[in-house]
Amino acid sequence: EPEVTQTPSHQVTQMGQEVILRCVPISNHLYFYWYRQILGQKVEFLVSFYNNEISEKSEIFDDQFSVERPDGSNFTLKIRSTKLEDSAMYFCASSEAGKAGDGTQYFGPGTRLLVL
Amino acid sequence: AQSVTQLGSHVSVSEGALVLLRCNYSSSVPPYLFWYVQYPNQGLQLLLKYTTGATLVKGINGFEAEFKKSETSFHLTKPSAHMSDAAEYFCAVSDRVNQGGKLIFGQGTELSVKP
Repeated sequence: EPEVTQTPSHQVTQMGQEVILRCVPISNHLYFYWYRQILGQKVEFLVSFYNNEISEKSEIFDDQFSVERPDGSNFTLKIRSTKLEDSAMYFCASSEAGKAGDGTQYFGPGTRLLVL
Repeated sequence: AQSVTQLGSHVSVSEGALVLLRCNYSSSVPPYLFWYVQYPNQGLQLLLKYTTGATLVKGINGFEAEFKKSETSFHLTKPSAHMSDAAEYFCAVSDRVNQGGKLIFGQGTELSVKP
């Protein structure tokens, strides 16, 4: 069964450093998402991406964050200058587009980011 | 704006007992509702979803949920808990399904199953 994959599974970085989290969505999906879950808190939406552009973003997704689909398979989240409060589990998800009654988001296993 | 409230951050049941995890939502438009499960050190897995049609929705692993518009609820149930059901469960709402609508999640409920 197709699945969303994410790399790395864990990343430790120093405050102020740039990190890139990588995701490979399910191959025939056209909508891509990033969510995060700070330890002990709810899963929060960051951004959605369709047709090579951001379709929606949350207040959390400020200028420090960017997303990119550099090729036909990868979808990345970049944090330019990490802060302590960026420490969280980051989930990538993908969904089909335009199919009535569908749109289920399939989630990857997550990348646990720790900023020191 | 949409929101989800899950009553009870932690629920403990005995093996074989009924599981009931509560979810109430707020939405200004007809909602699409989801339950996801997260096992330790794993991602979110879809249990079941309500989009349109039948209000009683059956999912994987014997779980089901009923959409009650009058009560703005989407509670998750399972008649008989199994040890393997121990996990964290998240209720979520979206205003769009097949046009890439974001999911708004509740706080999650951790389910423990005692032998």
